[in-house]
Amino acid sequence: EAGVVQSPRYKIIEKKQPVAFWCNPISGHNTLYWYRQNLGQGPELLIRYENEEAVDDSQLPKDRFSAERLKGVDSTLKIQPAELGDSAVYLCASSLGGQGFTEAFFGQGTRLTVV
Amino acid sequence: DQQVKQNSPSLSVQEGRISILNCDYTNSMFDYFLWYKKYPAEGPTFLISISSIKDKNEDGRFTVFLNKSAKHLSLHIVPSQPGDSAVYFCAGKPGVNTGKLIFGQGTTLQVKP
Repeated sequence: EAGVVQSPRYKIIEKKQPVAFWCNPISGHNTLYWYRQNLGQGPELLIRYENEEAVDDSQLPKDRFSAERLKGVDSTLKIQPAELGDSAVYLCASSLGGQGFTEAFFGQGTRLTVV
Repeated sequence: DQQVKQNSPSLSVQEGRISILNCDYTNSMFDYFLWYKKYPAEGPTFLISISSIKDKNEDGRFTVFLNKSAKHLSLHIVPSQPGDSAVYFCAGKPGVNTGKLIFGQGTTLQVKP
């Protein structure tokens, strides 16, 4: 079974440029997460989707970040314009969701470097 | 406000010995705690979890202990193997109505042959 797929794996852009990350979750997983991991830190949640609805985006910097999950499957995270401080690994994860505990499965991440 | 803390950035143990990774938390609303393992250039991989109503969960070489009064949990790996060398993240899930995880900073474990 395929895991969570993210692309690209690496991205280097100049500040003020836009960038987008793509995520394909595990088939059948209703819940999708975008996390950001800064160097030497643990992942921090940016946004969580239940199907196509964003149910927790309180940590998403909405002035420059946007996300969408059309049809409740794939998701895209966009930054426009990028700043130097956005350099980090952006992780997508998915889980079955619903009642009870289900663990989240992570993709390999996209390492963004803003120069 | 760091709700989950892993105060040891690194740990080195000999192959075959026990590895103990520690985690402290401040949020009493966590209903589950999880440990993830991360190899370089890969995403975190789920390792083991424990419900807040339990004090121990065991899965093969991995055991997690939860001390709610001390707001402390630990991951024991016995025996440690070189392939266990990775970064280990502790995470808490803040309530039944969310799948959100709050992670600690991670502890880098090195198991020496």
